[in-house]
Amino acid sequence: NAGVMQNPRHLVRRRGQEARLRCSPMKGHSHVYWYRQLPEEGLKFMVYLQKENIIDESGMPKERFSAEFPKEGPSILRIQQVVRGDSAAYFCASSPGWGVAEAFFGQGTRLTVV
Amino acid sequence: GNSVTQMEGPVTLSEEAFLTINCTYTATGYPSLFWYVQYPGEGLQLLLKATKADDKGSNKGFEATYRKETTSFHLEKGSVQVSDSAVYFCALTKDSGNTGKLIFGQGTTLQVKP
Repeated sequence: NAGVMQNPRHLVRRRGQEARLRCSPMKGHSHVYWYRQLPEEGLKFMVYLQKENIIDESGMPKERFSAEFPKEGPSILRIQQVVRGDSAAYFCASSPGWGVAEAFFGQGTRLTVV
Repeated sequence: GNSVTQMEGPVTLSEEAFLTINCTYTATGYPSLFWYVQYPGEGLQLLLKATKADDKGSNKGFEATYRKETTSFHLEKGSVQVSDSAVYFCALTKDSGNTGKLIFGQGTTLQVKP
């Protein structure tokens, strides 16, 4: 049973470009969470999704950031018109349901904006 | 709002030394508490957890006790190894019952020297 898969592991974008980060949850997991880790900081919750629904996006910046978790395929975190301050590690976690069990984390995508 | 505060690192110890990493929290309700470990270039792995007051979580020689009276969840290990070198994050559930929505501390880097 593969773990949470994120790709790419490393992504370099020029300022103004778009970044797309993908997350495939563990088999049987229908809940996905995205976190951002800035250098020398802890992880900050961004958004919580279930299939085809955004449940809680209280941690998402109001502009340029969006997330989806379609019926088929991976969850996507999309950052439009990236700026240097978006450089960070983005982690995805998945769980089978509310309060059922721990969430498992992927290895992260390290975004560098140049 | 809810928050987690960890002792600042780096913590540098010799092999077989005793480890304590302090973690205190503020929270409404009855959160679950976690310690995650992040090895270089990797995602987060759950180390241990406690779901109610006075619970003790333990794994791989690490222990932490959920102390409601002191709002603390300090991580301890009696004899560290070089392989324990990593960043350790204390976390609590953002919403009671949802183990995927977490509030993290800033992380404490542990370096163990042979």
